[in-house]
Amino acid sequence: SAVISQKPSRDICQRGTSLTIQCQVDSQVTMMFWYRQQPGQSLTLIATANQGSEATYESGFVIDKFPISRPNLTFSTLTVSNMSPEDSSIYLCSVVWRDGYTFGSGTRLTVV
Amino acid sequence: AQSVTQLDSQVPVFEEAPVELRCNYSSSVSVYLFWYVQYPNQGLQLLLKYLSGSTLVESINGFEAEFNKSQTSFHLRKPSVHISDTAEYFCAVTLGSGGYQKVTFGTGTKLQVIP
Repeated sequence: SAVISQKPSRDICQRGTSLTIQCQVDSQVTMMFWYRQQPGQSLTLIATANQGSEATYESGFVIDKFPISRPNLTFSTLTVSNMSPEDSSIYLCSVVWRDGYTFGSGTRLTVV
Repeated sequence: AQSVTQLDSQVPVFEEAPVELRCNYSSSVSVYLFWYVQYPNQGLQLLLKYLSGSTLVESINGFEAEFNKSQTSFHLRKPSVHISDTAEYFCAVTLGSGGYQKVTFGTGTKLQVIP
């Protein structure tokens, strides 16, 4: 399957600051997805990122808070802006690969 | 829109005992179904998937799941669990046609294997 490298693996950030999470795939993929997993909860799709176009955000998520870049077919970034403690979650990127969905190892974010 | 229900948030089971993790889905059209496993402090790993064909699918580590269209279920089973199976298991569904569709995850079931 496709191998996804996600950085950083974890971080502790001050409220009001921003963090950019990177997702690198070892194969070219059309679609990349960003998910959030809040403590004790399931995964929620934040947005879908296609190369060369604006990301598509799910209900409840906005570009100003979660800007996404997708400069090529193997790379994407998600920024969590103006963070608050409620943003403390695991953030995961994912790609469609051969009829399955492969996930990165996640970024565990704690906002203090 | 499709939805997934995992009725059991936690399932404790003794080592070497059988286990079943339940998953029911709701959709008016054909679906693809997945089970993912998340070990502590790790990301999600695909355990097995049903796309079409045989309704019984198996993983390399002894888990199996059966797609039951009439009961809209995709329960995960293992005849004998090991301590290393302790993890959280997520059932997921997506529409089975029309290219990529949004994946919907269940709320997860924490499997705790007791020595």
